[in-house]
Amino acid sequence: DIQMTQSPASLSASLGETVTIECRASEDIYNGLAWYQQKPGKSPQLLIYNANSLHTGVPSRFSGSGSGTQYSLKINSLQSEDVASYFCQQYYDYPFTFGSGTKLEIK
Amino acid sequence: QVKLLQSGAALVKPGASVKMSCKASGYTFTDYWVSWVKQSHGKSLEWIGEIYPNSGATNFNEKFKGKATLTVDKSTSTAYMELSRLTSEDSAIYYCTRGMGPLDYWGQGVMVTVSS
Repeated sequence: DIQMTQSPASLSASLGETVTIECRASEDIYNGLAWYQQKPGKSPQLLIYNANSLHTGVPSRFSGSGSGTQYSLKINSLQSEDVASYFCQQYYDYPFTFGSGTKLEIK
Repeated sequence: QVKLLQSGAALVKPGASVKMSCKASGYTFTDYWVSWVKQSHGKSLEWIGEIYPNSGATNFNEKFKGKATLTVDKSTSTAYMELSRLTSEDSAIYYCTRGMGPLDYWGQGVMVTVSS
């Protein structure tokens, strides 16, 4: 199985700041990567797919980048509603696997 | 709009089985794969498997083969997952999702508690 190593596990930032979350795959996943946001008590929601494509309705302050084994999610101008856990997922190969998550809080 | 409405929470005894449902609306059910994802308390996500409603074809995470059975009822646009021989390790929230790869819509989740 492809292992997804996500960092950091938790993150605290101020409103208006820019934050970056990283995900490293154990092998090349050829941009088969998605990012999800999960707010407390809610289901995960798709943010980014194919490493850098924004899902419908997702604010443009979210962006994804990367290639090969290294990927990142950037959130510009952090807002209070961005408090959530974020997960990466590879879908290049079966079984699809997820990162361990990053919990984002506001300072 | 796309909606996936899942059945309610379940409290089941060890060794028993549970079957949960996921009713799709707002899109053509047979055109998209349905995946199932497990989230243990406070932990990350595990992909269980997927089913293509049009043909019934399935793909599974090896870890869940023999544990999970996926079926669909095309007439009601409903997907089902049955979990068998339940243990405490199966206590979790289970989500149905739409998609093969990126999972673009998620149900609200079903909390399964395995306890005697």
